[in-house]
Amino acid sequence: ELKVEQNPLFLSMQEGKNYTIYCNYSTTSDRLYWYRQDPGKSLESLFVLLSNGAVKQEGRLMASLDTKARLSTLHITAAVHDLSATYFCAVGFRDDKIIFGKGTRLHILP
Amino acid sequence: NAGVTQTPKFQVLKTGQSMTLQCAQDMNHEYMSWYRQDPGMGLRLIHYSVGAGITDQGEVPNGYNVSRSTTEDFPLRLLSAAPSQTSVYFCASSSRRFMNTEAFFGQGTRLTVV
Repeated sequence: ELKVEQNPLFLSMQEGKNYTIYCNYSTTSDRLYWYRQDPGKSLESLFVLLSNGAVKQEGRLMASLDTKARLSTLHITAAVHDLSATYFCAVGFRDDKIIFGKGTRLHILP
Repeated sequence: NAGVTQTPKFQVLKTGQSMTLQCAQDMNHEYMSWYRQDPGMGLRLIHYSVGAGITDQGEVPNGYNVSRSTTEDFPLRLLSAAPSQTSVYFCASSSRRFMNTEAFFGQGTRLTVV
């Protein structure tokens, strides 16, 4: 069964702190995506990761992929209020299905 | 540069009515898909297509039909709407040839079945 598990599902943190969101998946994958969604809006692409050891960074967000552990992380450095949103990982499996995790609702307190 | 266009943006249906949610993309993407988003459930894959004439079921296909007669269009049909189909629906497209590119999402259709 194709499964994508994110944790935590909800995260409240102070500005300036660091934190990591985890994304585990059940079987071999071709690619992994991270998306951001603001309330009432569509999804905005953050990163696409293809290979083991891939690391991508954009501003205060850094994503990494470990295909052997079937694990991706999204690390937030020195959080700011503007990063408050829901973050999704999505995994592209070899049967062409792209399956999403349940999302992590991130609330950053000023 | 339209990207992925979904229509309508909002719709209210009565139980038992049918309707079609439209999705069109202008990026010549092979891969298109439909998701529904419900609170606390993330996005769940309904149906997807890897090219014109090819469709397949996702995680929650029951109650929905799709077809892909052209590369550009991927409509989602609700044959007999039920309150359980109240949700926000997103259409997405991506390239299969260039897998390092993102999937692009439409703006969503908010559907209420009463």
